[in-house]
Amino acid sequence: KQEVTQIPAALSVPEGENLVLNCSFTDSAIYNLQWFRQDPGKGLTSLLLIQSSQREQTSGRLNASLDKSSGRSTLYIAASQPGDSATYLCAVNRNNAGNMLTFGGGTRLMVKP
Amino acid sequence: DTEVTQTPKHLVMGMTNKKSLKCEQHMGHRAMYWYKQKAKKPPELMFVYSYEKLSINESVPSRFSPECPNSSLLNLHLHALQPEDSALYLCASSQGGGRRGEAFFGQGTRLTVV
Repeated sequence: KQEVTQIPAALSVPEGENLVLNCSFTDSAIYNLQWFRQDPGKGLTSLLLIQSSQREQTSGRLNASLDKSSGRSTLYIAASQPGDSATYLCAVNRNNAGNMLTFGGGTRLMVKP
Repeated sequence: DTEVTQTPKHLVMGMTNKKSLKCEQHMGHRAMYWYKQKAKKPPELMFVYSYEKLSINESVPSRFSPECPNSSLLNLHLHALQPEDSALYLCASSQGGGRRGEAFFGQGTRLTVV
């Protein structure tokens, strides 16, 4: 059974810092990995999708990497801002015909002004 | 437009009530999903519809009944729920798997069962 773990569970940083969120998964037979952002009581906003054949994806200040063989992904946030405060979730897709996501427990990020 | 719209945003229902959650997308996606998220927990998959047919049921109790009237709409019918079913119910859609596999989520329906 696929298990997804995110470290740290919570993170508080001053504005402007660069930071790294970690995601690990136990079964490397994934089709893609997706990073999401969730604000309190809200839905999920897709940040980045990395296909299993890719090593890296970038969008603005965000950069996600994937090492499928070792079961790890990282989300790098450059020059953090208070508006980045949210819970960040990684999810692995275990089905090529659809999108059956298994989520990690999330990292709650607080960026202080 | 990458929007998935869910209604209602909030719902309070008694254990003997029947209610429905609705989800709509106009991205031409052929796969739609229901996820359940308990407080301070990650979302968990409930159902997968592919080309308007139920393809995956993750052993969800029969008091939850999904329906896909057409390729843009997904409903979740609720009947005889328990207080422990209170959660955020999230709908998602995707074009498919592989390179088209990016999932887009709605804002969710916050369900409280009293």
